[in-house]
Amino acid sequence: DVKVTQSSRYLVKRTGEKVFLECVQDMDHENMFWYRQDPGLGLRLIYFSYDVKMKEKGDIPEGYSVSREKKERFSLILESASTNQTSMYLCASSLFTGDGYTFGSGTRLTVV
Amino acid sequence: AQRVTQPEKLLSVFKGAPVELKCNYSYSGSPELFWYVQYSRQRLQLLLRHISRESIKGFTADLNKGETSFHLKKPFAQEEDSAMYYCALTGGANNLFFGTGTRLTVIP
Repeated sequence: DVKVTQSSRYLVKRTGEKVFLECVQDMDHENMFWYRQDPGLGLRLIYFSYDVKMKEKGDIPEGYSVSREKKERFSLILESASTNQTSMYLCASSLFTGDGYTFGSGTRLTVV
Repeated sequence: AQRVTQPEKLLSVFKGAPVELKCNYSYSGSPELFWYVQYSRQRLQLLLRHISRESIKGFTADLNKGETSFHLKKPFAQEEDSAMYYCALTGGANNLFFGTGTRLTVIP
């Protein structure tokens, strides 16, 4: 089974803190993605990466950055957390374009 | 621009009744369509994709290019089908674009 592991299930951070969300996949997938999931808004793409050190902005990249130094790891960074970034964050990976995604279990981030 | 519309946020059906979750899309090329499902306290997982034309857990979905729809159907709903369902499309780019989701509740 492909596994996508997100390091934290729940996080509580203070406004202005720098926050790191980590995601690791173990099946040598090329593509990795970060989404946020909000009720009534569905999943919205923040950033994605199709190769090491490569990154592409998604639909809502403002306030976020990413890092992909190794193929298996894709980190989402909130440079200065704000309350409107309170959300469920989902990491996913896929082998090739058009392939189905495998999702992690999510990190529920609360910014207070 | 690509768009996926799931018009129903909530859908309730009785056990044994047919269920149809609607999905309409907008895309200028030839998209690939998917249905994902999230059961309570579980991760989001792929349910089916249109190119495989398979039935998973009794669910089927047919791509109708004329109506730009990809509705998910099951003839007899079961309680374990209660979940959040997302329709998604990819149009050649690396990323999936998701609809806003439909929460299905199957009433015993």
